[in-house]
Amino acid sequence: QKEVEQNSGPLSVPEGAIASLNCTYSDRGSQSFFWYRQYSGKSPELIMSIYSNGDKEDGRFTAQLNKASQYVSLLIRDSQPSDSATYLCAVGFGNEKLTFGTGTRLTIIP
Amino acid sequence: GAVVSQHPSRVICKSGTSVKIECRSLDFQATTMFWYRQFPKQSLMLMATSNEGSKATYEQGVEKDKFLINHASLTLSTLTVTSAHPEDSSFYICSAREVSGGAGTDTQYFGPGTRLTVL
Repeated sequence: QKEVEQNSGPLSVPEGAIASLNCTYSDRGSQSFFWYRQYSGKSPELIMSIYSNGDKEDGRFTAQLNKASQYVSLLIRDSQPSDSATYLCAVGFGNEKLTFGTGTRLTIIP
Repeated sequence: GAVVSQHPSRVICKSGTSVKIECRSLDFQATTMFWYRQFPKQSLMLMATSNEGSKATYEQGVEKDKFLINHASLTLSTLTVTSAHPEDSSFYICSAREVSGGAGTDTQYFGPGTRLTVL
C-alpha cells in the first residue's frame, strides 16, 4: 500500500523566517510530487509540483525532491501570516490517483 | 493554473432527499475527475474516481448506490448523494486531472468544494 507521511504539526514559525515542511513516501516508483495548501474551510490549492531530483523555486516557495531518500520538502521563505494553513503533500505514479499525506498545519506567528 | 468550479457551494437539505453536486473543468478537458469528502479537522478522503464515458471506480467502503457519479462530458462530472442523512453532512470536493502529455506529469486541480448539511 502506497503511503505518504507528514508530520501533522502544528509547526509554528515566526514571521519572516523560513518554514520547512517535510514529506516521505513509500513507493520508490513515484513520478510526480505536489504540494497543496488548504486554508481552514476551503479546498486545497496547488502551489508547487516537482518531477525530478533537485530544487524547484517559485517565488517564496522552493520544493526539494530526493528520490533516493524518498523525500520531498517545501520551503517557504519570508513567511507571512497568510501562509498559515495546512500543507498537503501528494505523490503520484503515472495516471494513477494521487496519494495524499494527512497534512502539516503551519502557523506563522506575527 | 487550470480552473475547476463546483456548484452549489453550499446546500442544506432535509433527511431523505437527494442532492446533486456539479464539478466542471472550465479551461481544460478532464477525462478523469475525483470526488473527495472531508470532515472537520480530518484529512481528505477519496470517494471515487470518475472517468468520462465509463463507470466510476469507488474506494473501499464507499456505497456506489448512495453516491452516484456521472461523468457526462470531458468537462462535467456530477455526484448525487441519494437519500441523504445527517451523517452525510460533510465538505465534498472534486478535482480534475489536467493531462500534460508527459509521462507522469498530469496535475490535479481542486474545485472550491460543496458544503452539505443534512437536517
